[in-house]
Amino acid sequence: QVQLVESGGGVVQPGRSLRLSCATSGFIFNSFAVNWVRQAPGKGLEWVALISYDGSYSYYADSVKGRFTVSRDKSKSTVYLEMNTLRAEDTALYYCARDNPSSGSIWSFDYWGQGTVVTVSS
Amino acid sequence: QSVLTQPPSVSAAPGQKVTISCSGSMSNIGKNYVSWFQHLPGTAPKVLIYDNTRRPSGIPDRFSASKSGTSATLDITGLQTGDEADYYCGSWDSSLTAGVFGGGTKLTVL
Repeated sequence: QVQLVESGGGVVQPGRSLRLSCATSGFIFNSFAVNWVRQAPGKGLEWVALISYDGSYSYYADSVKGRFTVSRDKSKSTVYLEMNTLRAEDTALYYCARDNPSSGSIWSFDYWGQGTVVTVSS
Repeated sequence: QSVLTQPPSVSAAPGQKVTISCSGSMSNIGKNYVSWFQHLPGTAPKVLIYDNTRRPSGIPDRFSASKSGTSATLDITGLQTGDEADYYCGSWDSSLTAGVFGGGTKLTVL
């Protein structure tokens, strides 16, 4: 069955870095784009980044552009979110989600992971 | 301030119908598909609607949606207490080249 499992969250000081992983299984990894979405405590959903099925292009929210980098490793069926120069406002539950193969949209979702928590605090 | 605008909360009695609105602009809803999500904080969001009106398998037809111009709506009929959750609309924004969510609407089933 399709699974996405996030890991790599934790407590980190402001200005430091962290790398999140989204390990996938149950589908052909190279055929699907993946999004990262986060939810800060008491806030709504915020889209973070998208990487295409082959890694040839990616997009970022303005709030993370220049600090976060999304990448993928087909040998590990894993998508990564490298987060640099972390700020307190990056504190959130981070989800990865696969795109929907039935959708006509560049931006779509079907299966989601359960999320990993990132806390940025001194 | 979210790019897409939703009412903060809606409420209705069990068995009734509720409508959640989502207002955007030409660069997002006006030009791109809309999705709707059901979310209980701390759990994985669930896709209720994609491509404006399409339901994924397993989503009951009590959930339906429409889009007109730069606005979209989600209708939930036959409300159940289990429908209490936060609901989000989302779309791609071609000007921002970014995905955008609404601020979320908390549904209370009285």
